[in-house]
Amino acid sequence: ETGVTQTPRHLVMGMTNKKSLKCEQHLGHNAMYWYKQSAKKPLELMFVYSLEERVENNSVPSRFSPECPNSSHLFLHLHTLQPEDSALYLCASSQEQGRKAYGYTFGSGTRLTVV
Amino acid sequence: DQQVKQNSPSLSVQEGRISILNCDYTNSMFDYFLWYKKYPAEGPTFLISISSIKDKNEDGRFTVFLNKSAKHLSLHIVPSQPGDSAVYFCAASEYNAGNMLTFGGGTRLMVKP
Repeated sequence: ETGVTQTPRHLVMGMTNKKSLKCEQHLGHNAMYWYKQSAKKPLELMFVYSLEERVENNSVPSRFSPECPNSSHLFLHLHTLQPEDSALYLCASSQEQGRKAYGYTFGSGTRLTVV
Repeated sequence: DQQVKQNSPSLSVQEGRISILNCDYTNSMFDYFLWYKKYPAEGPTFLISISSIKDKNEDGRFTVFLNKSAKHLSLHIVPSQPGDSAVYFCAASEYNAGNMLTFGGGTRLMVKP
């Protein structure tokens, strides 16, 4: 496989469930990201991992927990979500050169519905 | 407060004509700008970018213009094709902000045959 792969493509979960989203990149990139796309809102950055170290994003509720075990894999662990967390969750990767990444490669996203 | 804004949520253009998508930003520290294209059920794909040291970058049918004094950039597609119908996102990167891109809300382009 090439590019950035996200699984599952669709997920429906109850508010008391625990689930995880998975992202895998086959591009040799050294940075990975989670973005949230809600209806009629800009893409919102949730988490950044650069060289497997996490850049904190204090505005993300603790019910979202990222994990980056290596430079090719990124997870987003979900627990006790709310209906307003329903959105498209996008993973992306990039190659950081110095202080800048010249564009991301996105996965196809996971469409999450919280019921 | 949105630092990158795309004020037109949608745009409809006839095939063969020019499409112009606009983007405004407020952060004067942004020094690199990108456009992404997104089809339904797919992730955004990189289209074209421009550094703040330039005012124009062209790639085939796609041209991005940057007006730093107005904090405005635009994407021109000439000629527009039905396959260009998608949501277009403008994004910006700030000097010394590492890897983070700030995205606009997107503009849905519809190219009519």
